Amino acid sequence: EDKVVQSPLSLVVHEGDTVTLNCSYEVTNFRSLLWYKQEKKAPTFLFMLTSSGIEKKSGRLSSILDKKELFSILNITATQTGDSAIYLCAVNFGNEKLTFGTGTRLTIIP
Amino acid sequence: NAGVMQNPRHLVRRRGQEARLRCSPMKGHSHVYWYRQLPEEGLKFMVYLQKENIIDESGMPKERFSAEFPKEGPSILRIQQVVRGDSAAYFCASSLSGQGQTQYFGPGTRLLVL
Repeated sequence: EDKVVQSPLSLVVHEGDTVTLNCSYEVTNFRSLLWYKQEKKAPTFLFMLTSSGIEKKSGRLSSILDKKELFSILNITATQTGDSAIYLCAVNFGNEKLTFGTGTRLTIIP
Repeated sequence: NAGVMQNPRHLVRRRGQEARLRCSPMKGHSHVYWYRQLPEEGLKFMVYLQKENIIDESGMPKERFSAEFPKEGPSILRIQQVVRGDSAAYFCASSLSGQGQTQYFGPGTRLLVL
């Protein structure tokens, strides 16, 4: 069964810290891995990764995929209170439906 | 460029009533997906539709749930004879063409069954 596991489940850090969020998956087939940020409403798209070893970057956020070891990380540097959210990892196993992890709840303390 | 729109944002129903949730995809997108998020759980795939076609409904409960995406108008997720266990957030996403394209999510409809 296709499975996506995120860790940690929750994380509390101080403003300015750097955080690393993890996402691993068990695969029958793989097409892409996506990261979303969920605050109180719509999951907002952050990154889609399809190739190993190529870092995607957007401001203070970056992400990379390792298809050999079946995981991805999401890094956030110089965290701000606005980064507080649930970060969701999802994998497209080739059938267009996304399988989500349960998310990492990130809390930034001012 | 409007994003994915869903309405209503909140819906309260009594047990046994029907719930209709609507989703308008992003402009130019012809592929729609419905996901359900139960309290304290991750999003779970329900159904994938193109215009006038259901492509994959493997995540839909076998009874009481149905979905459509007509040629004109929004996609509709319909839940008949709702039960308390149907209380959840229902999210719709759309993509340009399937085929691994990014799925963009709407704000969700929060259904509460009394």
